[in-house]
Amino acid sequence: NAGVMQNPRHLVRRRGQEARLRCSPMKGHSHVYWYRQLPEEGLKFMVYLQKENIIDESGMPKERFSAEFPKEGPSILRIQQVVRGDSAAYFCASSPPGEGNTEAFFGQGTRLTVV
Amino acid sequence: QKEVEQNSGPLSVPEGAIASLNCTYSDRGSQSFFWYRQYSGKSPELIMFIYSNGDKEDGRFTAQLNKASQYVSLLIRDSQPSDSATYLCAVRIGGSYIPTFGRGTSLIVHP
Repeated sequence: NAGVMQNPRHLVRRRGQEARLRCSPMKGHSHVYWYRQLPEEGLKFMVYLQKENIIDESGMPKERFSAEFPKEGPSILRIQQVVRGDSAAYFCASSPPGEGNTEAFFGQGTRLTVV
Repeated sequence: QKEVEQNSGPLSVPEGAIASLNCTYSDRGSQSFFWYRQYSGKSPELIMFIYSNGDKEDGRFTAQLNKASQYVSLLIRDSQPSDSATYLCAVRIGGSYIPTFGRGTSLIVHP
């Protein structure tokens, strides 16, 4: 049973380019969460998605950032016109559906470097 | 007041000792509590979760939850140098599905 898969593991982009980060949740999981982590800092929530729906994007910058979780395929976090300040580790987590208590598991992360 | 608070540390303990990590949260209606371990440069790894008041034990780890006082703690018995990492407390605040994280406590276990 594969875990949460993120790719690429490392991504280098020049200022002004677009970055696309992919996340495939664990089998049977339909909830996806994206977090950003700067060096020596905690995990900052960005966006929470279910299949074909953005449930909560309160942590995502209003400009340049977008996320989707289509019916088929992985969840995508897209950053347009990247700037140096976007350099960080981006983690995706997934959890199973249901109203009760469920645990979230993380992927290996994508480390974005903007040069 | 931050939603989930942890002492950033570092907490330094000798090998074989008990390490005690604490976390407080702001919303009394929170129901789900998690501890993750994160090694430097790696992703967070879920090590414990607790949903009911009291203690929950798993091997050398014990999670303790006190909803009345709004704190959750993690005890690590017989600490090993390999336990040296940052420990992240996460809480589903109120009725939210979203795990909200504290900044983490750095633990150093010295031989």
